[in-house]
Amino acid sequence: DSGVTQTPKHLITATGQRVTLRCSPRSGDLSVYWYQQSLDQGLQFLIQYYNGEERAKGNILERFSAQQFPDLHSELNLSSLELGDSALYFCASSVDSSNEQFFGPGTRLTVL
Amino acid sequence: GQSLEQPSEVTAVEGAIVQINCTYQTSGFYGLSWYQQHDGGAPTFLSYNALDGLEETGRFSSFLSRSDSYGYLLLQELQMKDSASYFCVRNMLTFGGGTRLMVKP
Repeated sequence: DSGVTQTPKHLITATGQRVTLRCSPRSGDLSVYWYQQSLDQGLQFLIQYYNGEERAKGNILERFSAQQFPDLHSELNLSSLELGDSALYFCASSVDSSNEQFFGPGTRLTVL
Repeated sequence: GQSLEQPSEVTAVEGAIVQINCTYQTSGFYGLSWYQQHDGGAPTFLSYNALDGLEETGRFSSFLSRSDSYGYLLLQELQMKDSASYFCVRNMLTFGGGTRLMVKP
C-alpha cells in the first residue's frame, strides 16, 4: 500500500458525459501527478500540482482539467468524454518534485 | 513515449540475469528512473540515476551513461515474481512504452 488513495476504483459512463476522479496523496506529500494508461500502453503524464499550484503540464487535452485543494487532495475532471478516453488513470504523489513517486491503485474509466 | 526506446518484451529463466536497455533523447535530460508494474497493479519506483554509473539496490541495479544517452536495468537471480512490465522514465515524468519481462521456470 503506497498510501495514495484514489476514488472511485471503477467508473463506467457514456460518451459526452463528465466525470471527476479524486486522489488523496500520502501524508506530507506536496506534489500530485496524474497519468493516463491506455490498454497495454505506457503511462502518459498529464499534469503535476505542487502545494496547490500547477507545476508541470504534459499531454493533457483541453477537455481535461485538474486542481489541487488546500488539503492537498486533487481532482481530475474529464469532460465531453470519448470512447478513446477509456483508460486507467493513476495519481501519484511525492514529497516535492523528487524522483520517487508513489502511485495510487488507479481509477479504471470505461466510456461506452 | 517517442523520446525513450526500450524493448517491448524480454523472456528469461528463473535464476538468470536479464538486462533491460533504454535509450533516451538527450536534449534537456537530467535523470533516468525505473518503475516496475505488475499486471493490474500500480507502478512502483525501483531506482534513479542522474550521474553516470551503477546504482545497486539488492537484486536490481540501474546504470546510466549520459555520453551514450543510454541506461539499463539489471535484474539478477530472477524470480517468478519479477514477471512484470518495467518502465524507464526520462526526467521523472516521461515514461517509455515499457518492457514486459516474462520469467519462466
